[in-house]
Amino acid sequence: EDKVVQSPLSLVVHEGDTVTLNCSYEVTNFRSLLWYKQEKKAPTFLFMLTSSGIEKKSGRLSSILDKKELSSILNITATQTGDSAIYLCAGDSEKLVFGKGTKLTVNP
Amino acid sequence: EAGVAQSPRYKIIEKRQSVAFWCNPISGHATLYWYQQILGQGPKLLIQFQNNGVVDDSQLPKDRFSAERLKGVDSTLKIQPAKLEDSAVYLCASSLSGSYQETQYFGPGTRLLVL
Repeated sequence: EDKVVQSPLSLVVHEGDTVTLNCSYEVTNFRSLLWYKQEKKAPTFLFMLTSSGIEKKSGRLSSILDKKELSSILNITATQTGDSAIYLCAGDSEKLVFGKGTKLTVNP
Repeated sequence: EAGVAQSPRYKIIEKRQSVAFWCNPISGHATLYWYQQILGQGPKLLIQFQNNGVVDDSQLPKDRFSAERLKGVDSTLKIQPAKLEDSAVYLCASSLSGSYQETQYFGPGTRLLVL
């Protein structure tokens, strides 16, 4: 059965800190690894990773995929209170299999 | 560009009652998905439509859940009869054609509470 595991499940930091969120996957017919940010209810797309070792960046967020280790990390530098959300990782095997998410709280 | 629309936003029902959710995808998107997200869990795919045909409904509890996408645009998801464990957020998403490397866009969801 396809499985995606995220760690930590919860994280509390102060503004300005740098955080690293982890995602490991066991997905048959793997096509890509996706990261979403979920505030309130609707997940919003952050990154899609298909190639190992190539970092994708968007402002203070960056992510990289390691196909050998079947894992990915999401980094957020200089965190802000607006980064507080649940970060979801999903493996794409013709359908998305989501992890439970990491709940990030950034305190001022 | 208008996003994925869903209604209602909240619904409270008693167990054994029936309930229906509605979704209108982004205009021109052929693929529509319904997800169930239980508190503390990631979204779980219930059903995927390509136009008005079902692509994947392997995780849909077919004894009580049904979904349709008549005319390949709007979709409804129904639960009949509801159980306590159906309490969750029901998310609808759409993508252009459902093919590899396409982004899924999510709606705001419907939060269902079954008492």
